[in-house]
Amino acid sequence: QVQLVESGGGVVQPGGSLRLSCAASGFTFSRHAMHWVRQAPGKGLEWVAFIHYYENNKFYVGSNTYYADSVKGRFTISRDNSMNTLYLQMNSLSAEDTAVYYCAKSPPDAGYLNLWGQGSLVTVSS
Amino acid sequence: SYVLTQPPSVPVAPGQTARITCEENNIGSKSVHWYQQKPGQAPVLVVYDDSDRPSGIPDRFSGSSSGNTATLTISRAEAGDEADYYCQVWDSSSAHWVFGGGTKLTVL
Repeated sequence: QVQLVESGGGVVQPGGSLRLSCAASGFTFSRHAMHWVRQAPGKGLEWVAFIHYYENNKFYVGSNTYYADSVKGRFTISRDNSMNTLYLQMNSLSAEDTAVYYCAKSPPDAGYLNLWGQGSLVTVSS
Repeated sequence: SYVLTQPPSVPVAPGQTARITCEENNIGSKSVHWYQQKPGQAPVLVVYDDSDRPSGIPDRFSGSSSGNTATLTISRAEAGDEADYYCQVWDSSSAHWVFGGGTKLTVL
């Protein structure tokens, strides 16, 4: 079954840190770019971060990461292809970061997100 | 930076055609993608690369893009189509993925 399952959400105090995980199954994780997208309560979708992974004859070559301006310098996206898992390390959290965080995948060389997880709620509150 | 403008809401009668627009300068030069999100659920891709449909998406959903406007068309609207719809592009100049503000489709 092709799916993405997020975990790690919860309540954190302002200024605190949290790490989200996204477990992938049912597809070749290493061949897909991955994203984090968030949605504040009652608001629209906001793209957060992207990571790709390049292979050359099955050897690691490098990776690219991109971030939304609102999280750059505070959030770090990473992946463990051996564990089929995507991560989002979130530091210096503020109330404006309160949202449901979705992980999503893109097919190779595609600009769209064709599979989304069910989301993980992060609440920043004292 | 790229800003995609959608109408906040679009009403449609059952069986009629709904059109949801997504506007930005020269959007016709980019690939536009559309997502459907029902309350309490994750988004689902319904149209990609302007007009292609993923497997399992009914042919009642179609897309087009030209000039400054991209359009998602939902023919023969059903109650089950009530949802928020978002357009999205990749902005190569900033290496950012950009979503529109979303449109709430109401089937009257």
